[in-house]
Order: sequence, then C-alpha cells, then structure tokens
Amino acid sequence: DAGVIQSPRHEVTEMGQEVTLRCKPISGHDYLFWYRQTMMRGLELLIYFNNNVPIDDSGMPEDRFSAKMPNASFSTLKIQPSEPRDSAVYFCASSYGTGIYGYTFGSGTRLTVV
Amino acid sequence: AQSVTQLDSHVSVSEGTPVLLRCNYSSSYSPSLFWYVQHPNKGLQLLLKYTSAATLVKGINGFEAEFKKSETSFHLTKPSAHMSDAAEYFCVVSDGRGNEKLTFGTGTRLTIIP
Repeated sequence: DAGVIQSPRHEVTEMGQEVTLRCKPISGHDYLFWYRQTMMRGLELLIYFNNNVPIDDSGMPEDRFSAKMPNASFSTLKIQPSEPRDSAVYFCASSYGTGIYGYTFGSGTRLTVV
Repeated sequence: AQSVTQLDSHVSVSEGTPVLLRCNYSSSYSPSLFWYVQHPNKGLQLLLKYTSAATLVKGINGFEAEFKKSETSFHLTKPSAHMSDAAEYFCVVSDGRGNEKLTFGTGTRLTIIP
C-alpha cells in the first residue's frame, strides 16, 4: 500500500485566496482525520470522518474552514478566504476501526499564506 | 477523559549513550498507548504501540517502551543513540473505550550530540 497520500506537499498562496488540500487514505481504513501542526499550538485535531461522515468538527477554527469526504478514497480541506495565521503543516491520517490500532499519517502539506 | 504528559520538551544525549523519553498518562479505562516519531519536515511515523498485551513493547529502530500501570507511565528507551534518532517524539493515548480519538502529548525533541 502507498500509505496516506496528501497533495500538494507545499502550497504558497496570497491572503484572501482559496486553498484546497487533498488526501487519499489507505484503502480499507474507515476513519480519516485532519490535523494542523504549528510551533505555537502543536498538533490540533480539526475534524474527523467515519465511513465518509463527519463525526466531530469541533476543532475547525472558524467558518473559513470546511472539509468534505465525498467517498472512501478522497477527502478535501478547504480554506476560504485564507489568512496568514493559517500558515501551518496540515496532516491527514487514516485508521481502521477504533483508536486502539493507531493512525497512519500522510507526509503533510506545508501551507504558507503571504 | 484521557490525557498525556511528556515530562521533557527537549532531551540531548551523546551518540552511543542510552535514550530515555518520559511519558505519563491519565485514563479512566485500560488505555492503548503509542509513541510516534517525526523527523524534520516529515510526517508522523508509528514507533510502537501498547494494546494490553505484553507490558514491554518493542518498536522499530531499537526503541522499546514499558507500560507501568502503577506509575501510569509509558517511557520510551533505546540502549544506544544514533545520529538518525534526532527527531520529535510524541506520546499518544487512546482511552481504551474503543474511542477513535487519540490524545497527543506536546512532544519531546531529541538531539544527538556527535
């Protein structure tokens, strides 16, 4: 298996622009998680899905952030409009079943908003 | 609710000497515990996991951790540090109720001195 695949690896955008981050989970995994990592706040869980259905989005910072999972093999995290404080590394992770098995993380997308 | 505390934000050891990264957890149930490693500009990789089997868990790259219920600890050790071990290490807990959400520690940065 190729693991969790995220694209793009790096994204530089201007403030106010729309940004879309993409994730392909491991085939057969039924949970998908979006995390954000910054020096100041560490790892933050933004939202997670079970069988393509959003379960908990309490970590989404504000209405500018939205996430979708149209099918079992694809998810997006969109920021519209983007702001400099959104600059961070965004990770996608997937897992099979409950947390007992741990997560498999993607390589992340480094977002810079200028 | 579960929580995890990494007692050291930064640990420095000389190459060839033992490594000890400390982690204490809190959980109302029988938890699952994990250590993840993150090398610079990389994603998080599962190092090892404890899921109520043997209390001494062996992971990749010579690392191991011991689950001590009486001390609520899950410290990570390695007998001899290698330069390639320099990375950020995260202790992670699942509350053991089958909850899919994991709780991450704040991380310990390991520096290896040549």
